[in-house]
Amino acid sequence: DTAVSQTPKYLVTQMGNDKSIKCEQNLGHDTMYWYKQDSKKFLKIMFSYNNKELIINETVPNRFSPKSPDKAHLNLHINSLELGDSAVYFCASSHRGQGFEAFFGQGTRLTVV
Amino acid sequence: QQQVKQSPQSLIVQKGGISIINCAYENTAFDYFPWYQQFPGKGPALLIAIRPDVSEKKEGRFTISFNKSAKQFSLHIMDSQPGDSATYFCAASPYYNQGGKLIFGQGTELSVKP
Repeated sequence: DTAVSQTPKYLVTQMGNDKSIKCEQNLGHDTMYWYKQDSKKFLKIMFSYNNKELIINETVPNRFSPKSPDKAHLNLHINSLELGDSAVYFCASSHRGQGFEAFFGQGTRLTVV
Repeated sequence: QQQVKQSPQSLIVQKGGISIINCAYENTAFDYFPWYQQFPGKGPALLIAIRPDVSEKKEGRFTISFNKSAKQFSLHIMDSQPGDSATYFCAASPYYNQGGKLIFGQGTELSVKP
């Protein structure tokens, strides 16, 4: 009965490959996010979706394409992976307007070799 | 510019001591200031949050102090325990119509020694 679940937890891939990370929440929230945590543990928002509509795109390269099939799911597809994409990616969700109270998934550690 | 600065980067405290982490922000267009706790291999989890019209909020051993004029806020952990060892992030949440994003500080790695 995990609140926000991401798969996979670990992802190791070669440069140039395309990969996807899936996220699902069962909290009934209508807003979902992707955050990136770099090697220094700095957390930065990438995208925010509300009811399947893109609200925030924080100047993320267009190799990153989020997709929200419904308000409980937000997937992240990454094309042409680069070494600099190596990081931990967190999915999160909240009620609309309550982003301060976001619930985070366990993270996906992406390693590009 | 929307930015939150956090210090110290790391903190070592003896069991039973007080842990203090400080943050400062540069933009007044924030309406919530939460603190998140992150254990290794886990996602951040909300610990406590405060609105800018409140100067202090306490939940158990955790207290946020907020100074609106100085644009600073801090987390105090009283009677620190080894189980509190984690990375702590302060954050700021812009007003409702900005998609609900969190702007995080750089994080503080807290180690509580037995």
